[in-house]
Amino acid sequence: KNQVEQSPQSLIILEGKNCTLQCNYTVSPFSNLRWYKQDTGRGPVSLTIMTFSENTKSNGRYTATLDADTKQSSLHITASQLSDSASYICVVTSGGYNKLIFGAGTRLAVHP
Amino acid sequence: GAGVSQSPSNKVTEKGKDVELRCDPISGHTALYWYRQSLGQGLEFLIYFQGNSAPDKSGLPSDRFSAERTGGSVSTLTIQRTQQEDSAVYLCASSLGGAHQETQYFGPGTRLLVL
Repeated sequence: KNQVEQSPQSLIILEGKNCTLQCNYTVSPFSNLRWYKQDTGRGPVSLTIMTFSENTKSNGRYTATLDADTKQSSLHITASQLSDSASYICVVTSGGYNKLIFGAGTRLAVHP
Repeated sequence: GAGVSQSPSNKVTEKGKDVELRCDPISGHTALYWYRQSLGQGLEFLIYFQGNSAPDKSGLPSDRFSAERTGGSVSTLTIQRTQQEDSAVYLCASSLGGAHQETQYFGPGTRLLVL
């Protein structure tokens, strides 16, 4: 069964600290993996997209990694800011456009 | 330019009533998607429109759900005889051409509560 599991479910960190969010997937065939940021009451916004051959991709303070062998991805946030408080969703595409398998997300709260 | 817009932002309805949710995609985007996000769950694909092609309705949970896209732009998702389990956030997204590696741009969603 195609699944995307994220951990932790929620996380609280202090402003300025780093954190890492995890995503494990069992999806086949694998096409690409995306990380989205979803602010409360807003739609998801794409942060990164990685294909099978890519191991790491950065977008500002966000760095995503992908290990296609172990089917794991991580999203590392450096020097967190209050505006990083949001849900972070891992999405794996399997084959075609409609084969998007979404994780339930990690809810991150950054406190001053 | 303007992003994907959805209306209404919130909708409260009584069980058994019909509801219509609207999505305005980004101008020029030929692909349009509807998703459902239930509390604590990941997004669930509902339906996909690409240009003038027949839509992919494989994700619609029941025949109470239907969607149209008029003139290749605005889309309406209709839920007939709503049930309490239909309560969720309904998200619309659009992309330029519909290829699977393209970024989908999401609207803010419509929060539906069925009493």
